[in-house]
Amino acid sequence: GENVEQHPSTLSVQEGDSAVIKCTYSDSASNYFPWYKQELGKRPQLIIDIRSNVGEKKDQRIAVTLNKTAKHFSLHITETQPEDSAVYFCAASEANYQLIWGAGTKLIIKP
Amino acid sequence: NAGVTQTPKFRILKIGQSMTLQCAQDMNHNYMYWYRQDPGMGLKLIYYSVGAGITDKGEVPNGYNVSRSTTEDFPLRLELAAPSQTSVYFCASSNSGLEKLFFGSGTQLSVL
Repeated sequence: GENVEQHPSTLSVQEGDSAVIKCTYSDSASNYFPWYKQELGKRPQLIIDIRSNVGEKKDQRIAVTLNKTAKHFSLHITETQPEDSAVYFCAASEANYQLIWGAGTKLIIKP
Repeated sequence: NAGVTQTPKFRILKIGQSMTLQCAQDMNHNYMYWYRQDPGMGLKLIYYSVGAGITDKGEVPNGYNVSRSTTEDFPLRLELAAPSQTSVYFCASSNSGLEKLFFGSGTQLSVL
């Protein structure tokens, strides 16, 4: 089955700098890769996603890149702000309506 | 729209007790999911449903049961609670399979 690894587990960046979180997956049949943001004590919320027929997708300060050959995808956040502090989860699709999730990255924005 | 509503928010169970976690959505979504989230871990799929009357197992179904008699409701039943079921449980729904899951606010369950 699918396995998703996410790195780093904790990332601390200066406010205004960029943050990059990476995920690798094992199943070459996976074709959908979402990123969710979970603030402390809150529910996960979708921030961006990408399908396997696209290499990159941007939404304002957030972008996701996908390398199908290497089986990895990354979340890029530019000009980080205090409200970006949260835990970020990547996921990859598997058969039968399953998403296999990474373990999460705690992003800390230092003032 | 209320979105996805979960009850209760917190619960403490004794080993061997049973309970039902309620989940309701008012977005007319066909797809509904139950996940558990253990500390420092990603989400694990327990059960899912693609429509009323249809349910299927996810990654970690043992110790749980579900039903989907209506489009709106997707309750999760815990029978004979065990300490390993201590977790935060999230219900989610979607209009289009895996895309854009809407999550409920979660239920924090402790089994002691």
